[in-house]
Amino acid sequence: QSALTQPRSVSGSPGQSVTISCTGTSSDVGGYNYVSWYQQHPGKAPKLMIYDVTKRPSGVPDRFSGSKSGNTASLTISGLQAEDEADYYCCSYAGTYTVFGGGTKLTVL
Amino acid sequence: QVQLVESGGGVVQPGKSLRLSCAASGFTFSSYAMYWVRQAPGKGLEWVAVISSDGNNKYYADSVKGRFTISRDNSKNTLYLQMNSLRGEDTAVYYCAKDLKIAVAGTGQFHYWGQGTLVTVSS
Repeated sequence: QSALTQPRSVSGSPGQSVTISCTGTSSDVGGYNYVSWYQQHPGKAPKLMIYDVTKRPSGVPDRFSGSKSGNTASLTISGLQAEDEADYYCCSYAGTYTVFGGGTKLTVL
Repeated sequence: QVQLVESGGGVVQPGKSLRLSCAASGFTFSSYAMYWVRQAPGKGLEWVAVISSDGNNKYYADSVKGRFTISRDNSKNTLYLQMNSLRGEDTAVYYCAKDLKIAVAGTGQFHYWGQGTLVTVSS
């Protein structure tokens, strides 16, 4: 049940794109297509942004996209906006457990 | 609309017990796996436990196995977390969350979250 590995922080200017990586193992990220991403603003509950590796829930802008290659998943945010500044967590199903990444703080410069 | 409302948090001494509840509404509770996820102050998210939609299967994080018990009452649309032998490292906001998909075992993807309830373990 080891946590997935994410960069501690990323940053970008408005309008730019950023990508957040999430590395696991063949027992979690690489073994299932149940990878999800969550956005969390300070003091708020997390919000589902991406599920099933690449799908967006209704209401999530198409600026947010997900992908996976082997044991590494990625979240890309294009056309950065000020309101995208938040913590982002990846998450993977692993059969008898679910595991989160350590979180990435996105700063919009 | 989907609502998840946690309750039962508070300050408790190390070694004591506490039971959290999560009242669900706005969806067919008995069709979804349900979860507890926690977040220590200033830290990241940690999956705690899952219970299948029928209540027959339960799985726990290694950090709480043997001390915490997840349960549900589908007749009352309520999820529970019984926490025993509490430790300082259990101090966190505890969220209940609903799975994204109708599936007995769940997919580990959290569609809706409650507002969280704070548990502080301190003498």
